[in-house]
Parts: sequence; structure tokens; C-alpha cells
Amino acid sequence: AQKVTQAQTEISVVEKEDVTLDCVYETRDTTYYLFWYKQPPSGELVFLIRRNSFDEQNEISGRYSWNFQKSTSSFNFTITASQVVDSAVYFCALSEAKYSGYSTLTFGKGTMLLVSP
Amino acid sequence: SQTIHQWPATLVQPVGSPLSLECTVEGTSNPNLYWYRQAAGRGLQLLFYSVGIGQISSEVPQNLSASRPQDRQFILSSKKLLLSDSGFYLCAWSRDAWGYTFGSGTRLTVV
Repeated sequence: AQKVTQAQTEISVVEKEDVTLDCVYETRDTTYYLFWYKQPPSGELVFLIRRNSFDEQNEISGRYSWNFQKSTSSFNFTITASQVVDSAVYFCALSEAKYSGYSTLTFGKGTMLLVSP
Repeated sequence: SQTIHQWPATLVQPVGSPLSLECTVEGTSNPNLYWYRQAAGRGLQLLFYSVGIGQISSEVPQNLSASRPQDRQFILSSKKLLLSDSGFYLCAWSRDAWGYTFGSGTRLTVV
């Protein structure tokens, strides 16, 4: 069964600090997809990134970067120079294709990030 | 383009009352549909998923049920709400394992 672990329940930083959110996953499949979502206080899930299991290339998007390492089953997310607007709950998620066209998305418990001025 | 609609946005219901949350998808056919719940301070838990009309799978036993009367309509129901049913409910659709689109959510408070 697939599982996603986000060990950090809550992280507090001061603006402009760098912060890394950890994500460790478990799966028996060789083909899977990893996601990060941001959930602001309004509750909506904001899609940030997705990665397939065959693409270990790290990605940078502005102040956001992601480090995917299959050897350690980790997909960590780093925010550089954090801002108050980054305050939210961040979810890591894993999707396995169970059979043609069907899949389920399993979420970690989320990490609440608080960025203070 | 595909869109997903979920309503109502907020709902306050007394214990023992029925529940009906609706989710509809536009711009696609035969989507996979999902209901997730987020209890206060907790992660997102998959409640139900559906791969077609009338096909419902439940991930966890609970006081809730789901139905898919039409291809792009997914309904979450309860005959009698419990306090523990309070939470944030999200509907989602997907075509495959690569992409999921979520609705804006319904915040349910059972009093």
C-alpha cells in the first residue's frame, strides 16, 4: 500500500529564512507520481508541482525548489527567502496507476508553515 | 476547459440531520471522481472514489455514502450526521494518475 510521511507537523520561520519541508513516501510500484500542494487558510488546494518516478531531475521555480531522490524515497520542498504569504499548510501526495485510467491520490498529513515578519 | 463545481461552500447542520453535498465536472467525460475529507488539524483522507456511473468504492467505513447518478455528478450523503462528520470536504476529478483537479471545498460544521 502507498504511504506518504510528512514528519514535520509545524515549522515556524522568520521572513527571508530558507525552509525545507520533508516528504518520504512508500510504494511498491515502479511507476508513480509525486505532488506538492499548498493549502492557504481558505482551504482550497493549490497545485505546486508533480513529478513522475522516472524523472529525478530537481526543479526550481522562482523561490521554490524540489529535490526528488528515489534512493531515499524522498521528495523534499525548499522555499528560499520565505515570505509571509508562504504561510499555509503544505501537502505531499503520491499517486499510483492501479489500472488503466484509474488511480488514487494519497496525501501526507501536511506541514503547517508559519512565516512571521 | 474542464471545471469542477462544489457546493455549498459552508454548511452548518444539527446532529442527526441529513446531508447532501454535490460535485459536478464540466468539460470532460467519464472522469474518475473522488471525495476527500479533512478533519480539523489533520490530513486529507480519501472517502470514496468512482470510475463510472453507479460505481462507488469506499476507502473507510463511516456514516457517509456516495452516489454517482450521472457521468459528471458525484454526491456525498448522510442520513444522520454525527459530530465527527465535521470537516472540510473536497471533491476531485482525474483522467489518470498524472493529474487531479480539486473543487473549492465545503466546510461542514455539525452542531
